[in-house]
Amino acid sequence: GIQVEQSPPDLILQEGANSTLRCNFSDSVNNLQWFHQNPWGQLINLFYIPSGTKQNGRLSATTVATERYSLLYISSSQTTDSGVYFCAVVGWGKLQFGAGTQVVVTP
Amino acid sequence: DGGITQSPKYLFRKEGQNVTLSCEQNLNHDAMYWYRQDPGQGLRLIYYSQIVNDFQKGDIAEGYSVSREKKESFPLTVTSAQKNPTAFYLCASSIRTATNYGYTFGSGTRLTVV
Repeated sequence: GIQVEQSPPDLILQEGANSTLRCNFSDSVNNLQWFHQNPWGQLINLFYIPSGTKQNGRLSATTVATERYSLLYISSSQTTDSGVYFCAVVGWGKLQFGAGTQVVVTP
Repeated sequence: DGGITQSPKYLFRKEGQNVTLSCEQNLNHDAMYWYRQDPGQGLRLIYYSQIVNDFQKGDIAEGYSVSREKKESFPLTVTSAQKNPTAFYLCASSIRTATNYGYTFGSGTRLTVV
């Protein structure tokens, strides 16, 4: 199956800082999504971004499908951004997840 | 509001028992999925169903069973054959359009074997 690798595994930020999370995938995909899992376990779909760039408030994402990677940008981080960020790709009709990046934003 | 409801939130099981986790959606999504999450790890697919009365094994189906008798419901049974069932279980549904392939997740069930 498709391999999905995320980096870094852990990230500690001071409130107000910016950061970049990376997702590499092993094969061509026509579907890539970013999710945020809050400390209570709820998964929220952030972006559906098979290619190009999208922005939603302080978050933005870019996928370069030809080079098999996607980036998630968090600007002016807030404590509510804490949690785990997952990248996932669709292969054979199934959503395959990376291991995630654990983000902790400190006041 | 439309969404996915998982119940119960917490479940305790004695060794050797079967337990069933409920997942109901009112989003009119055709496809539904069950994922397992272990601490510090990503989600792994157990079973998925793209249409009523049909389902497929995911990557870790052994020790689990499902049914899809109604579009809205996709219950997961954790059988006694599952040797390490303690985990966080997430149900999801999806819809695919020309511009989106959106997944919606439930709030999860934490299963503990006692």
